[in-house]
Amino acid sequence: GDSVTQMEGPVTLSEEACLTINCTYTATGYPSLFWYVQYPGEGLQLLLKATKADDKGSNKGFEATYRKETTSFHLEKGSVQVSDSAVYFCALSERQAGTALIFGKGTTLSVSS
Amino acid sequence: ETGVTQTPRHLVMGMTNKKSLKCEQHLGHNAMYWYKQSAKKPLELMFVYSLEERVENNSVPSRFSPECPNSSHLFLHLHTLQPEDSALYLCASSQLPPGLAGGSIYNEQFFGPGTRLTVL
Repeated sequence: GDSVTQMEGPVTLSEEACLTINCTYTATGYPSLFWYVQYPGEGLQLLLKATKADDKGSNKGFEATYRKETTSFHLEKGSVQVSDSAVYFCALSERQAGTALIFGKGTTLSVSS
Repeated sequence: ETGVTQTPRHLVMGMTNKKSLKCEQHLGHNAMYWYKQSAKKPLELMFVYSLEERVENNSVPSRFSPECPNSSHLFLHLHTLQPEDSALYLCASSQLPPGLAGGSIYNEQFFGPGTRLTVL
């Protein structure tokens, strides 16, 4: 079945450091890919998305590119802030109505000043 | 109210209690979901309702009973739970497309803040 694998955390960085959180997937079809973020005490929020190969999703300085050849969707940010401290989830959804999201286990990011 | 709301935000219950979690979406969506988030595990999909009909039930124990009276409301009725059921329960909603045509169909879901459940 479909699955998402993302790097184990926690990831601890200093402010203004570069961030990469790896995400790879396996899927039987041609999925859409997502990154969700969960801030402490809150639910998940969609951070960015990509629906086809070579698409780049971006939001709040974060970027991820849909790489079909490597089945990857790595999350990157050039300069993290303390406010970016959260749990990040990579997810996929097959292109069928009613298909729910399949999530990775989540990666905790902690940024210190 | 906007987005997806969930009540209560925190719930402590004994194993013999009966309680219900409530979710309401104010987005005009036609599908709603229950997820379970446990420590160090991926989010687990529990139930999916599309147009108020249950379309998916991922082998969830019968002590969890969902109810979707209309497209805006979703409940999760709980009874005789176990301590291992303690988790964050997340509700989500989405707007499912009318068909499969088009190249940009995806299932973007909007989440509520969750109910933190502790079973003693």
